[in-house]
Amino acid sequence: QKEVEQDPGPLSVPEGAIVSLNCTYSNSAFQYFMWYRQYSRKGPELLMYTYSSGNKEDGRFTAQVDKSSKYISLFIRDSQPSDSATYLCAIYNFNKFYFGSGTKLNVKP
Amino acid sequence: GAVVSQHPSWVICKSGTSVKIECRSLDFQATTMFWYRQFPKQSLMLMATSNEGSKATYEQGVEKDKFLINHASLTLSTLTVTSAHPEDSSFYICSASFPGGSVGEQFFGPGTRLTVL
Repeated sequence: QKEVEQDPGPLSVPEGAIVSLNCTYSNSAFQYFMWYRQYSRKGPELLMYTYSSGNKEDGRFTAQVDKSSKYISLFIRDSQPSDSATYLCAIYNFNKFYFGSGTKLNVKP
Repeated sequence: GAVVSQHPSWVICKSGTSVKIECRSLDFQATTMFWYRQFPKQSLMLMATSNEGSKATYEQGVEKDKFLINHASLTLSTLTVTSAHPEDSSFYICSASFPGGSVGEQFFGPGTRLTVL
């Protein structure tokens, strides 16, 4: 079983929509969860970082961790065409990172 | 701050040749650097973790004699793909972390696209 699973999409939404991106993970001991955004032919950039469970908000972005169901989510409000990218969830454990396969998001004007 | 650069950004080489990719942390000292490869429409796959001044730790299935990693200083790590073959064609990305940063925080380079003919 992979450490983290992510639906690859693609996901296409109209501008202004609320986007929900999700991942599941296998090990209940995982504590550190990240979301990265990757534009085509570029390296990933860190969007959000959460520890343990709960929500974290940064502008239009909200990261949520549900440890009981081993489920992590990223919500994007008022999505913009500039949000079009691939979003990767990641887990950090003992100096090692595990990445989801990434969900490609397209926000149509 | 926390900028990581890679050089070259893309390279095309003939089968059998060796290619060196550099990863530099420009404004911080990176005690740990990570090397990933990414195939089209797939996620990042960790190849190895390198700590300055010590041997790299390779992930299972990664040939250490083929993918030579050197982390000679706190700002530079290199990945050398030896005797490259077409199946080595991929997008190689490095990342770096530093003590004092948020746990699990790493900064990615822009990636190097390798095409082996």
